[in-house]
This record gives sequence, structure tokens and C-alpha cells, in this order.
Amino acid sequence: EAGVAQSPRYKIIEKRQSVAFWCNPISGHATLYWYQQILGQGPKLLIQFQNNGVVDDSQLPKDRFSAERLKGVDSTLKIQPAKLEDSAVYLCASTQQGDSGANVLTFGAGSRLTVL
Amino acid sequence: AQSVAQPEDQVNVAEGNPLTVKCTYSVSGNPYLFWYVQYPNRGLQFLLKYITGDNLVKGSYGFEAEFNKSQTSFHLKKPSALVSDSALYFCAVREDTGRRALTFGSGTRLQVQP
Repeated sequence: EAGVAQSPRYKIIEKRQSVAFWCNPISGHATLYWYQQILGQGPKLLIQFQNNGVVDDSQLPKDRFSAERLKGVDSTLKIQPAKLEDSAVYLCASTQQGDSGANVLTFGAGSRLTVL
Repeated sequence: AQSVAQPEDQVNVAEGNPLTVKCTYSVSGNPYLFWYVQYPNRGLQFLLKYITGDNLVKGSYGFEAEFNKSQTSFHLKKPSALVSDSALYFCAVREDTGRRALTFGSGTRLQVQP
């Protein structure tokens, strides 16, 4: 099966500019996650979707970050305006329907953002 | 609340020697525990998980992990390290109830010397 697709792989922007990342999960996977991984740290959850509904966005900086999954398939994460501290790898992951907690997350390769 | 601690930023081991990467966790209920590995410029890859049952779980590439409830630990082990095992390893936990996502540790870099 095809894996989790993410684009772009790399993006360099100036602070205060905007950026968008796209994720297409594995076909049939109902749950989609966006994680932020800052250099030297573990991934931190930004937002979790179940189909097209938000399950958890408690750690999403909503003043600048937004995410959507309108049709319950692919998803877009946007940052506007970007800050220097947003430099990180943005990881998308998905799991199958009926996430019992035991299901394995499958990750994409990530989108590396550098804010200058 | 759920959390994970990986006390070692880096572990160095000689090829052929056994390796251990440490992980301790904290959850309110029962844990689901995972190990992932990350190679340079790659996403995280699943190694193994503990859900219930036997405390010793076996995973990919010869890795295994031992769940210890009394010590709230889930250490990753391999009997004989390979240079190709050099990578960044992450432990992750979630509670067995609710719909919370995985919480990851800060990672441990494993360096296997030839």
C-alpha cells in the first residue's frame, strides 16, 4: 500500500510570511495527526482528526496555526504569520478506522520548515 | 495526563554488544507503549508495541522491549548491535481509554561503533 504522502519536503520562508503543508494519509485511514518536531526534541501533537472532525487541537497555537480536513481524506496545515520558533519538521501520521489506541501510527517523511 | 521520559540523550555501544535504550512512562490508567526509530531525513518507523499480555515483546530488526509495570518502564533492547542500528529512537505512550494521541519522549540517539 502507498504510504503517507507529504509536501513540500522542504520550505524556507521569512518570518511573518505564510506557509501551507499538505498530507494525504493511507487510503481508508480515518484518523489523521499533525505533529511538530523541533530539532533535538520528540514529536509534539498539534492536532488530531477523526474523519473530518477535530478530536484534539488543545496544543495548536490557534493565533497562527490552522488545519483542515474538509472531506475526511487529505489535510492541510497552515502557519500565518510564521515565527522563528516555528522552524521544525511537521509530521503527518494516520491510523485505521476505530482507533482503539493500539493501532500503529504510520508517519510520512515530514515537511521541514526553516523560518529566517 | 500522560508523559514519557528518555533519560539518555545518547547511547554508545560497540558492534556486537547488547544495547539498551531506556524509557519510563506515566499514565493515569493502563498504558499502550510504542517504540519508533527515525533515520536521517526520514519519518518515524514503527518498531514494536506493548498492549497487553507477555511483558516481553519482540519487534522489527531483532529489537525487543520489556514492560515493567512496577517500575513504569519499557526499555528497548537488542542482544547484538549492528552499525546500521545507529539512529534516533523514540518511546511513546497513550492511555488505553479515550482517544488521546501518542505522547512521545525526547528521543535517544543510538551510536553503534564498528
